[in-house]
Amino acid sequence: GAVVSQHPSRVICKSGTSVKIECRSLDFQATTMFWYRQFPKQSLMLMATSNEGSKATYEQGVEKDKFLINHASLTLSTLTVTSAHPEDSSFYICSVMGLGNTEAFFGQGTRLTVV
Amino acid sequence: AQSVTQLDSQVPVFEEAPVELRCNYSSSVSVYLFWYVQYPNQGLQLLLKYLSGSTLVKGINGFEAEFNKSQTSFHLRKPSVHISDTAEYFCAVSDLRTDKLIFGTGTRLQVFP
Repeated sequence: GAVVSQHPSRVICKSGTSVKIECRSLDFQATTMFWYRQFPKQSLMLMATSNEGSKATYEQGVEKDKFLINHASLTLSTLTVTSAHPEDSSFYICSVMGLGNTEAFFGQGTRLTVV
Repeated sequence: AQSVTQLDSQVPVFEEAPVELRCNYSSSVSVYLFWYVQYPNQGLQLLLKYLSGSTLVKGINGFEAEFNKSQTSFHLRKPSVHISDTAEYFCAVSDLRTDKLIFGTGTRLQVFP
């Protein structure tokens, strides 16, 4: 399967600052990338879907101006949490898919703590 | 719209015992079905998937699952579990039109010695 690298694995930031999370597909052309968030002991909730070179499609209830997604190339997508608040503290996970694929490959996740 | 139900939030079991983790889904269109495993503070690893064909699917680590269309179920089984199988298990369906994965709420498998 594809190797997906997510960076950083953990980040602590102050309330009001912005944090960027990177998702890289190391050996795979990711035409589509997905961003999820997972609260403790809960399931993964899809935040947005991004296709290379296009604007991301956000799920209902997800603020696009707060969670900025950029998918500029077939190997890199970034999620920027702007003006972070403590309630944004969560585990963020990306996944990638390529053309014709039937399964998604996941990154290791990023633990964001906003203090 | 699709939805996934994992009825058991936790399943405790002794080592070497068999285990079944239940998953039911609902969808008005054809879907693919998946089971993923998540270890603490890590991403998801695919255990197995059902796309079409044989309803019994074998995956990694000795796991298997059976697709039952009439019961809209995709239960995960392992005949003999190990301590290392302790993890969170997620059932998911994929919308064939959008590739979006819809996850169940997860089942925590706890294997005791």
